[in-house]
Amino acid sequence: GAGVSQSPSNKVTEKGKDVELRCDPISGHTALYWYRQSLGQGLEFLIYFQGNSAPDKSGLPSDRFSAERTGGSVSTLTIQRTQQEDSAVYLCASSLVGFGTEAFFGQGTRLTVV
Amino acid sequence: KQEVTQIPAALSVPEGENLVLNCSFTDSAIYNLQWFRQDPGKGLTSLLLIQSSQREQTSGRLNASLDKSSGRSTLYIAASQPGDSATYLCAVGNNAGNMLTFGGGTRLMVKP
Repeated sequence: GAGVSQSPSNKVTEKGKDVELRCDPISGHTALYWYRQSLGQGLEFLIYFQGNSAPDKSGLPSDRFSAERTGGSVSTLTIQRTQQEDSAVYLCASSLVGFGTEAFFGQGTRLTVV
Repeated sequence: KQEVTQIPAALSVPEGENLVLNCSFTDSAIYNLQWFRQDPGKGLTSLLLIQSSQREQTSGRLNASLDKSSGRSTLYIAASQPGDSATYLCAVGNNAGNMLTFGGGTRLMVKP
């Protein structure tokens, strides 16, 4: 595609429910990243995928968070048993080969947990 | 752990002014530095990417410089316009290429 696509753009969920956020990277980009941006906060690294290598999950805040990338393309970020503190904008980025090359971000998914 | 700081946090200028946004980082062992723009409620738009071996990059009215040894980068915006109003973020890429560490951003408002 022309750019990184994320869906949904907005998601409101009840506390305790599970949510899935989707990211379609730019075609041909082998690296994919998830970041979180909370209100008034900077961007927080969550997880990094590079090709077929094991993902770097060092930024995931708890075991309620998980992500997968199927076929080296589309990625899904899953948050189980959502909490109010999970409310944030979740941003996905892709780059040709790691952050040594230019990173392109999607528009984000705004998650609100009520 | 890499820490990135942006000063000022907010800036308001009249249209037409030239301005400089500052970014500093604590660990000079970086791979590259990237400047982004974020409009309210939107994602990030890449503006300029500077590799660690480079001193500056230019795109239109934007010029970004990098002084790796002192841990600093500046984004220069010439002849600012109201459409430049946004939050500007700098991000530092580590040598492993698997992490971008972001600063807190500078919120810029250009008044007509």
